[in-house]
Amino acid sequence: AQSVTQLGSHVSVSEGALVLLRCNYSSSVPPYLFWYVQYPNQGLQLLLKYTSAATLVKGINGFEAEFKKSETSFHLTKPSAHMSDAAEYFCAVSVDAGGATNKLIFGTGTLLAVQP
Amino acid sequence: KAGVTQTPRYLIKTRGQQVTLSCSPISGHRSVSWYQQTPGQGLQFLFEYFSETQRNKGNFPGRFSGRQFSNSRSEMNVSTLELGDSALYLCASSLAGTGVNEQFFGPGTRLTVL
Repeated sequence: AQSVTQLGSHVSVSEGALVLLRCNYSSSVPPYLFWYVQYPNQGLQLLLKYTSAATLVKGINGFEAEFKKSETSFHLTKPSAHMSDAAEYFCAVSVDAGGATNKLIFGTGTLLAVQP
Repeated sequence: KAGVTQTPRYLIKTRGQQVTLSCSPISGHRSVSWYQQTPGQGLQFLFEYFSETQRNKGNFPGRFSGRQFSNSRSEMNVSTLELGDSALYLCASSLAGTGVNEQFFGPGTRLTVL
């Protein structure tokens, strides 16, 4: 069964500093992985997705993530944090890469705070 | 293109009542999934509908049900509400069913059970 683990429920960085949000996955098959962001009182917005095409995935708002099979990781990074990046971030894995379902399994989320 | 819309945005009910939430997917999307988000349990999958058929279901009691109409709009119903049903209910839509498709989420319906 697929699962994801997000290390660190709260992360605080200074504006302009590197953002690193950690996600490790468990999957018996090659996984499809996603990062979503949720701003207060809003739904989820897709930042980026890994679907085996390239291990380094670039997303919106300057975020990127690198798929490392040997470490079973899919960490999210951004070189320079901006105040507008303050939000909750969720890592997710697709249950079925074969397409029989769109069900996602989400991690517990990481709340990112950006200090001025 | 309009995004996923959910109505109502906020709802207050009392224990024992039942509630119906509505989701209109992006035009052309045939798959609709529902998730429950709570501080304690996080984001949990409720069910997925594709072409009016439920094709996957999460681990929730039978009080939670849903359906999808021919225009892909979906509703979920919760009967005999409990305090623990208070949550943000998110709907997500995506394109046709094969392969891993990007899911687009609506803003959610915030349900409070008193």
